[in-house]
Amino acid sequence: EAQVTQNPRYLITVTGKKLTVTCSQNMNHEYMSWYRQDPGLGLRQIYYSMNVEVTDKGDVPEGYKVSRKEKRNFPLILESPSPNQTSLYFCASSLEGLNTEAFFGQGTRLTVV
Amino acid sequence: GQQVMQIPQYQHVQEGEDFTTYCNSSTTLSNIQWYKQRPGGHPVFLIQLVKSGEVKKQKRLTFQFGEAKKNSSLHITATQTTDVGTYFCAGPGGGDYKLSFGAGTTVTVRA
Repeated sequence: EAQVTQNPRYLITVTGKKLTVTCSQNMNHEYMSWYRQDPGLGLRQIYYSMNVEVTDKGDVPEGYKVSRKEKRNFPLILESPSPNQTSLYFCASSLEGLNTEAFFGQGTRLTVV
Repeated sequence: GQQVMQIPQYQHVQEGEDFTTYCNSSTTLSNIQWYKQRPGGHPVFLIQLVKSGEVKKQKRLTFQFGEAKKNSSLHITATQTTDVGTYFCAGPGGGDYKLSFGAGTTVTVRA
């Protein structure tokens, strides 16, 4: 089954404790991205990747890091989480970027206390 | 940079009624996509519009892309409880590879 898998689905952590949210897709898609969803703000792009070893900032990259060492994986790293990073996070992939449909993961609900 | 604005933010609809949600961009879009997110779920792709003035239909949903390719609309006819959720439009913005989403229209249905 074609899918985008995120883990964990839920996470409560403390300020400053490094964490990683994993994202994996099995569709051989080139383009992957991370979004955060906050009430009234829709989906805001954090980082995106056009292909292996190619990443770039989205609209809200501060406080986040990503890497794309393999085509299927695109982890999101929070080196020192803060409460304002409490949000719902989605990973998405698409075959060729912005002109093809995006497939979203199930989401990760992150709470930073 | 590129911004995609979506109105209204909330739409409360009586079952059986029609409604429309609108999406406006500050710049011309090469294409626009629409997604639906059910409560507690993740966004799911509905459709992509590419051509100026394009109109596409999916059962009771009608999607339009404006002539200037700066706005789009989603019209739902005879709303059903299954239409509950948040509808997002999204377009390329702020560069070749960034995707900009509208804030979404959250639809609730009164039976």
